[in-house]
Amino acid sequence: DADVTQTPRNRITKTGKRIMLECSQTKGHDRMYWYRQDPGLGLRLIYYSFDVKDINKGEISDGYSVSRQAQAKFSLSLESAIPNQTALYFCATSDGQVGANVLTFGAGSRLTVL
Amino acid sequence: GQQLNQSPQSMFIQEGEDVSMNCTSSSIFNTWLWYKQDPGEGPVLLIALYKAGELTSNGRLTAQFGITRKDSFLNISASIPSDVGIYFCAGQAGGSNYKLTFGKGTLLTVNP
Repeated sequence: DADVTQTPRNRITKTGKRIMLECSQTKGHDRMYWYRQDPGLGLRLIYYSFDVKDINKGEISDGYSVSRQAQAKFSLSLESAIPNQTALYFCATSDGQVGANVLTFGAGSRLTVL
Repeated sequence: GQQLNQSPQSMFIQEGEDVSMNCTSSSIFNTWLWYKQDPGEGPVLLIALYKAGELTSNGRLTAQFGITRKDSFLNISASIPSDVGIYFCAGQAGGSNYKLTFGKGTLLTVNP
């Protein structure tokens, strides 16, 4: 099984629908992240969480919300999806050791908003 | 905020050729990371650099942490078709949050 599992892997939805992307990890890491990837724009941070009680906005958090249900679970929600949220979304984890923040990524969730 | 300029944006090479790509920053980083993303997958760490001037190899891959701490280079020698993918640099400035800043990626295509 993958260390970081994302579900669903692919989703097509309509404008205005609520969507939840889920992420679970077996690495025992405290830190979890949600990134968005668009062609030519690289990876942009949406939200991050350093522990269950800690949630922080990233550079592009508008239109998104997150929930850290447990150390191993971090979900991303789009309350009312819009077409420009069509993208590839990645969950990642890290152990936050001093001197390094090496991320382990999931395989991605491709979201299409019509 | 911090920005990384990664170049080139894309490369088309023949199998067996060497490849070089780089990232430059307007600010200093304490850590440089290089990731590769295969089609349909998430990025996977290739090399991590923690010290200015450090030169680290991983098989046919070699990466360097620039002396100024504002740049990093990745070289791939004797490319093979499975080297195809998107290569990302990422920098970490340190401090209390340890967030990473990613470059926009270099798309590598290797023609057999």
